Amino acid sequence: DAGVIQSPRHEVTEMGQEVTLRCKPISGHNSLFWYRQTMMRGLELLIYFNNNVPIDDSGMPEDRFSAKMPNASFSTLKIQPSEPRDSAVYFCASKRTGDTEAFFGQGTRLTVV
Amino acid sequence: SQQGEEDPQALSIQEGENATMNCSYKTSINNLQWYRQNSGRGLVHLILIRSNEREKHSGRLRVTLDTSKKSSSLLITASRAADTASYFCATAKTGANSKLTFGKGITLSVRP
Repeated sequence: DAGVIQSPRHEVTEMGQEVTLRCKPISGHNSLFWYRQTMMRGLELLIYFNNNVPIDDSGMPEDRFSAKMPNASFSTLKIQPSEPRDSAVYFCASKRTGDTEAFFGQGTRLTVV
Repeated sequence: SQQGEEDPQALSIQEGENATMNCSYKTSINNLQWYRQNSGRGLVHLILIRSNEREKHSGRLRVTLDTSKKSSSLLITASRAADTASYFCATAKTGANSKLTFGKGITLSVRP
């Protein structure tokens, strides 16, 4: 398996634009996580899905952020409109349910100017 | 708030020395995991310890778990320059259906 695949690897956008980050989890994994990493806040859990259903989105900063998982092999994280403070590295991770390890993608480095 | 809190925040040691990193957490857990992150990369799983386990080993890694103190430690023996990275603990809370919450991490520098 190729691991968790995220795209794009880097994104530079202007304030106010819509940004869509994409993630393909490892086949057979039924839990998917979106994290945001910054120097100030560390690694924050934004939202996670079990079997394509959002279980906990309490970490989503505000209504500008939304996430979907239309099927077991694809998820998106959308920011609309984007702001400079959204600049961070966004990670997607997947795992099997239970006492198992999470596998991380390489991340998307987002810069909003 | 973060479930796991690591200390120290930064650690600098000489190659060959042992590195000990600690993690404290607040609620009951199913398991605790340690991850490593090299600069500019994603996190990589190192070791998982379940709530009914007290100690686990994997190569040069030794992890302990004290559920009464809600704390864990990661020991890297005979450190190498290649161990330089950030290390994170992550907890899976009891009944939280796989949710993994990370601490802010420890930056380990191993001087050659």
